[in-house]
Amino acid sequence: AQKVTQAQTEISVVEKEDVTLDCVYETRDTTYYLFWYKQPPSGELVFLIRRNSFDEQNEISGRYSWNFQKSTSSFNFTITASQVVDSAVYFCALSEARRGGNKLTFGTGTQLKVEL
Amino acid sequence: GAGVSQTPSNKVTEKGKYVELRCDPISGHTALYWYRQSLGQGPEFLIYFQGTGAADDSGLPNDRFFAVRPEGSVSTLKIQRTERGDSAVYLCASSTGDETQYFGPGTRLLVL
Repeated sequence: AQKVTQAQTEISVVEKEDVTLDCVYETRDTTYYLFWYKQPPSGELVFLIRRNSFDEQNEISGRYSWNFQKSTSSFNFTITASQVVDSAVYFCALSEARRGGNKLTFGTGTQLKVEL
Repeated sequence: GAGVSQTPSNKVTEKGKYVELRCDPISGHTALYWYRQSLGQGPEFLIYFQGTGAADDSGLPNDRFFAVRPEGSVSTLKIQRTERGDSAVYLCASSTGDETQYFGPGTRLLVL
């Protein structure tokens, strides 16, 4: 069975600090996708990144960066120079291709609070 | 372009009543997913449509839950004989099949 663990329930930082959100996953599939979504107080899930299991290259997008390590089954997300607008719940997710489709298995989320 | 839309945004009903939740996917997206998110939890998969057919309904909790997508676009999630435990945010997502799912704002269902 697929599983995603986000051990950090809540993180509080002061603006401009760097913060890393951890994600550990379990799967028996050799081909899979990993995702990060942001859920601001409005409630809508906002797609941030998708990573293929065959591509372990780290990725940077502005203040966001992602570190994918298959050896430790981790897909961590770092926000550099955090801002108040980054305050949200962040979900890591794993896609499973069964009977077609790619249903997502989500972690329980990490609540990030960025304060002035 | 327009994203995924869901109606109603909020629904309050009484235990035992029937409810319908609607999802309008991004135009051209053939895949449609329903998830349910309880307070403090991540979304949980309910059902997946490819076109008009339900390709995977393994996440539906019981036979009170049913979903349709008759024309391959709009989908309706139907819940019969609602129970208080059905209270949650119901999320819809669509995709073109390239693995990335785009979510709607959700319907907050409260069963009294």
